[in-house]
Amino acid sequence: GAGVSQTPSNKVTEKGKYVELRCDPISGHTALYWYRQSLGQGPEFLIYFQGTGAADDSGLPNDRFFAVRPEGSVSTLKIQRTERGDSAMYLCASSLGKQETQYFGPGTRLLVL
Amino acid sequence: QKEVEQNSGPLSVPEGAIASLNCTYSDRVSQSFFWYRQYSGKSPELIMSIYSNGDKEDGRFTAQLNKASQYVSLLIRDSQPSDSATYLCAVNTYSGGGADGLTFGKGTHLIIQP
Repeated sequence: GAGVSQTPSNKVTEKGKYVELRCDPISGHTALYWYRQSLGQGPEFLIYFQGTGAADDSGLPNDRFFAVRPEGSVSTLKIQRTERGDSAMYLCASSLGKQETQYFGPGTRLLVL
Repeated sequence: QKEVEQNSGPLSVPEGAIASLNCTYSDRVSQSFFWYRQYSGKSPELIMSIYSNGDKEDGRFTAQLNKASQYVSLLIRDSQPSDSATYLCAVNTYSGGGADGLTFGKGTHLIIQP
């Protein structure tokens, strides 16, 4: 079956702009996670959805970052007033449930100029 | 704060030899452990998961877990050049508080020399 998909694969924007990153999880997976990975580092947890609700957003770095999952499937990560430090690979993962193995999408590489 | 430590490498291993990758974690209540492989510019790909003390084998890969020592390792037998990648150790803790996502190490860069 289809894996996790993410769009766009690459996004270049200017400092101060708003961006949206999309994640389409594996069909039937109720748990969805967003991570951010900087060069030379492991992925860092941002937010976890169980169904439509954000069960844990403790990893979001500040209030410029926000994510939604209105119908319990596709999720959008939104970044306001982007900063150069936001440049990273943004990864989405999904799993059957909270305690299940997470499968990653191909990621969106964000570059803020 | 949960921490996962890995030697960043690079770890260089001759083709056909055994590659041994190690990981330690700080949170004693951690309950599930994963090894992901990540090629340069790509996303992490699951290699192994392990939940109980002891060894778990899958083809050329063996994961080893020792909860008392807070240590998890990955052995790759008959190493191939295609195994050259960064290997990420990840830990999940199911508790009432704290982040619900995986905590990753920085990864070990493995190079298999032909």
